[in-house]
Amino acid sequence: GAVVSQHPSWVICKSGTSVKIECRSLDFQATTMFWYRQFPKQSLMLMATSNEGSKATYEQGVEKDKFLINHASLTLSTLTVTSAHPEDSSFYICSASSRQGASGYTFGSGTRLTVV
Amino acid sequence: GESVGLHLPTLSVQEGDNSIINCAYSNSASDYFIWYKQESGKGPQFIIDIRSNMDKRQGQRVTVLLNKTVKHLSLQIAATQPGDSAVYFCAERPSFNKFYFGSGTKLNVKP
Repeated sequence: GAVVSQHPSWVICKSGTSVKIECRSLDFQATTMFWYRQFPKQSLMLMATSNEGSKATYEQGVEKDKFLINHASLTLSTLTVTSAHPEDSSFYICSASSRQGASGYTFGSGTRLTVV
Repeated sequence: GESVGLHLPTLSVQEGDNSIINCAYSNSASDYFIWYKQESGKGPQFIIDIRSNMDKRQGQRVTVLLNKTVKHLSLQIAATQPGDSAVYFCAERPSFNKFYFGSGTKLNVKP
């Protein structure tokens, strides 16, 4: 079945630094990738949707200059948290779809970001 | 730090019993729905999906029911096992490239 690899699984960084999270589709081409954020005991909140080769579409309230998304190829999307602050600490999860309208959205295993 | 949010509702069932997890979705235009299972510290795992032109779909030990009139989904798990303990989310697709999650329910299976 479809596999999405997310890396790193956890990262600790200092305030003010930037962190990049990678999301790769291993055995299929992901035309669309989604980035979510999840706080403890809460649901997943959609941050942005990215299509290969085009700019990401951000949800209302998500700062696009802070959460940079690049979907440069059909198998890779990256989320960069810029100038990280402690309030950015969260669980970040990506998911990928092979084509618009296809059934099944495969999720990565998530990245636990802690900003100190 | 991370913000304080609502605690997930918990459903406790005895091993071997059937479980029913409910979800209210928000957008009447949603045409596709998925139930996910999430274990602690992991990404969501696909369980079963259903399109809006159906009202019921069965999988192995799981059944999803869709009531579009009241915008309600339910997930039924037969003969619940300890390995089913996790948080369950429904997700809806109101349009292409939009996929939103519901608030989630924690299932606790007692041996």
